[in-house]
Amino acid sequence: GQSLEQPSEVTAVEGAIVQINCTYQTSGFYGLSWYQQHDGGAPTFLSYNALDGLEETGRFSSFLSRSDSYGYLLLQELQMKDSASYFCAVSMNTGFQKLVFGTGTRLLVSP
Amino acid sequence: DTGVSQDPRHKITKRGQNVTFRCDPISEHNRLYWYRQTLGQGPEFLTYFQNEAQLEKSRLLSDRFSAERPKGSFSTLEIQRTEQGDSAMYLCASSLGGTEETQYFGPGTRLLVL
Repeated sequence: GQSLEQPSEVTAVEGAIVQINCTYQTSGFYGLSWYQQHDGGAPTFLSYNALDGLEETGRFSSFLSRSDSYGYLLLQELQMKDSASYFCAVSMNTGFQKLVFGTGTRLLVSP
Repeated sequence: DTGVSQDPRHKITKRGQNVTFRCDPISEHNRLYWYRQTLGQGPEFLTYFQNEAQLEKSRLLSDRFSAERPKGSFSTLEIQRTEQGDSAMYLCASSLGGTEETQYFGPGTRLLVL
C-alpha cells in the first residue's frame, strides 16, 4: 500500500518561517511534489523534487531525502494569503507520473 | 487560473440520476488525469489518458463511472445511477508529457448527490 504522512495542522504568525514535513511509504517513487489548495479552490503546483536536496522557488523551498523517504516544504516570510492546505504527493514510477497525495496540512497564519 | 477548465463548477443531483462532467486541459498537454477529493482528504487518482487512450483506471472507478477523451483534447467523466457516496469534488489535471510531468489542476466540479 501507499501512505504519506503529514501533520494535520500548523499555525504560525505573519513574517515567520514554517516547515511542513512529509514522510512516505510507497511501492514506487519517482519524485515528490507539493501543492497548495485554498478552501474551495484547485490544488496549485508549488514545487517538485526528483533528486535529493533543496529546491528554492521564491519564498517557498522544498527538500527531499530519498534514503529517508522524507521531504519538507519550507515557507518563509509568511503572509496571511499563505493560509491554505498543503499537500505532498508522490509520483509513482509507473511511466505516467500518477500522483498519490497525502492527507494534507492545514496552515493557519495569524497577524 | 492554470488554463485547465471544468464544467460545471457545481452540480446537485438526486440519487439514481446520471451526471456528466467536462474537462478542457491546457491545449498542448497530451496527458489528462481525473481525481476525486472528499472533504479533509487529498485528491485520489481515478483515471489517466495519454492522448485519446485511457491507460489506467483506479479500482475506485466502479462500473458506474466512465471517462472518455474522444479526440485527445477535452475529456468527459460520466457517473451513472449516482449514489450519495459519490458526493465529492472531481478534479481534472493535465500535463505536457515527456520530461515535463507537472500536473496542472482545474477548478473542479463539486457534486452533491441528495
